[in-house]
Amino acid sequence: TQLLEQSPQFLSIQEGENLTVYCNSSSVFSSLQWYRQEPGEGPVLLVTVVTGGEVKKLKRLTFQFGDARKDSSLHITAAQTGDTGLYLCAGVSSSNTGKLIFGQGTTLQVKP
Amino acid sequence: DTGVSQDPRHKITKRGQNVTFRCDPISEHNRLYWYRQTLGQGPEFLTYFQNEAQLEKSRLLSDRFSAERPKGSFSTLEIQRTEQGDSAMYLCASSFFWTSGGANEQFFGPGTRLTVL
Repeated sequence: TQLLEQSPQFLSIQEGENLTVYCNSSSVFSSLQWYRQEPGEGPVLLVTVVTGGEVKKLKRLTFQFGDARKDSSLHITAAQTGDTGLYLCAGVSSSNTGKLIFGQGTTLQVKP
Repeated sequence: DTGVSQDPRHKITKRGQNVTFRCDPISEHNRLYWYRQTLGQGPEFLTYFQNEAQLEKSRLLSDRFSAERPKGSFSTLEIQRTEQGDSAMYLCASSFFWTSGGANEQFFGPGTRLTVL
């Protein structure tokens, strides 16, 4: 069974600070997707990483896929209040289903 | 194209009643997934379709749950004899999958929040 451990589960920081969220597994994933979710809404896709060692940037967000495709990180630089939300990492199952294996999520609160 | 839509957005029902949810995927997508999310957790896979064929069901999906995608377009998820433990957000996602590879990026709908009293 493929599992993803996401940490930390909760993060409360001041505006302007930097932060990193981690996703770790003992399993290899064919790709990994990061989502952001607002209360009462569905997850919104931020980025997909496919190649081991890949780094993608989305404005102040930097996503990295581990060399062995077992782990990933999300780094936010100079966080803003608008970054507040639930961040989810999801590995694409190595089976043919393509189903997503989600981490538990990181609830980020950015205080002004 | 307006993305994945789900209906209703909220459903409150009494224990023992049946409920049905609908999902309309992105039109050119051949795969449709159902997930369930409880408070404070990430979504969990329930089942998925490729076109009209249901190809996998999770152990989470008891006999009271049934899903269909009759013409390979919209899908319905029915829960019979609801229980309080069924209270959750039910999410639908769609993707375009091709056998030569690709990341199978999934796009989610807004979800249906079910409350069983």
